[in-house]
Order: sequence, then structure tokens, then C-alpha cells
Amino acid sequence: EDKVVQSPLSLVVHEGDTVTLNCSYEVTNFRSLLWYKQEKKAPTFLFMLTSSGIEKKSGRLSSILDKKELFSILNITATQTGDSAVYLCAGKETSGSRLTFGEGTQLTVNP
Amino acid sequence: KAGVTQTPRYLIKTRGQQVTLSCSPISGHRSVSWYQQTPGQGLQFLFEYFSETQRNKGNFPGRFSGRQFSNSRSEMNVSTLELGDSALYLCASSWGQGKTQYFGPGTRLLVL
Repeated sequence: EDKVVQSPLSLVVHEGDTVTLNCSYEVTNFRSLLWYKQEKKAPTFLFMLTSSGIEKKSGRLSSILDKKELFSILNITATQTGDSAVYLCAGKETSGSRLTFGEGTQLTVNP
Repeated sequence: KAGVTQTPRYLIKTRGQQVTLSCSPISGHRSVSWYQQTPGQGLQFLFEYFSETQRNKGNFPGRFSGRQFSNSRSEMNVSTLELGDSALYLCASSWGQGKTQYFGPGTRLLVL
């Protein structure tokens, strides 16, 4: 059975800190790893990673995938209170659109 | 471009009843997937529809069913509701199978 594990489950930091969120996966016929941010509503798409070792970057957020070690990290630099949310990672198999989600990391950024 | 829309946004039902939830994908998107989100189990895949055909199904009982119409809009139905069906039901659309999925705001279902 496919499995995605995120750590830590919860993280509290101060504004300006840098955080690293971890995601390990076991997905049969793995195709890509996705990161979403969920506040009190729909998950919003952040990144999709397909190739190993290539960093994707969007503003203060960046992510990288290691297909040999089966993990991904999401970095957020200079955190802001608006970054407070649950960050979800999901593995996708080759065929179809099924996503297997991890439990999520609850990030709280205090002023 | 409008995002994924789901109706209704909130719903209260009693055990044994049935419910139908609706999802309208982003214009041009042909694939619709449904997920159930609960505090205990997180986000779990229900099923995926593409071109009016169910392409993939998660590990949920037969009480959970769905369909997709020719305009790509999708509905999911849960029959004989149980307390454990209380959850946020999320719909996601993508322009094709395997492409990036964009989520709707969800329907929060409470079963009493």
C-alpha cells in the first residue's frame, strides 16, 4: 500500500526563521511529488517535482526531490505569519490522478 | 479563470440518509477527483473521473459512488450515511489525467 510520511507533524517558529519540512514516500510506480498549502479551506498548489535533484523555487519557498532516497523537502525562508498553515505533500503514481497524501505539517509562525 | 466550485458548502444530514455533492471543474479541465478529509485519516482518495468514466477508485465502501457528465461536472453520492462519514469532501480538477490537480473549497458534511 502506498504511504507518505511527513515530519514534523507540528512546528512553531518566529517570524523570520527558516523552516524545513520533510516528506518521505513509498508509492508504487511513482511519477511525481506534490506540495500543497492548506489554510482553513482548499489546499492550494505549491510545487510538483518529477525529477531528482532539481530545485523548484517560488519566492521564499523552495523544494527538492531525491528519488533515490525517496524523500522531498520544502524550505521556507524568512517566514511570515501568513505562512501559518498545514503543508501537505502527496505522491502521485504514473497512471491516473490518484494522490496519496501525508498527514501534513502544521506550521505556526508567531510574530 | 474561475476555480473549482463545489456545492453545497455545508450540509447536515442524519444517519441513514443519502447525500449528493456537486463539483464544477475549472473550465477546460476534464479530470475530476474526489477526496475525503478527516482529522484522523487525513486526505484520502475516493475516485477519479475522466471523460465520464471512472478511472480509479480508492478503498471506500460501495456506499460511495460518483459520476461525471459530458460537461465534466461531477457528482458524488453517499448512501446510508454513517456518523463516520462526517468529513470535508474535496474535489480537484486537472486538464488531463496525471496533470496538476487544483482543489475546490470543499463540502463540509456533518452526519448526526
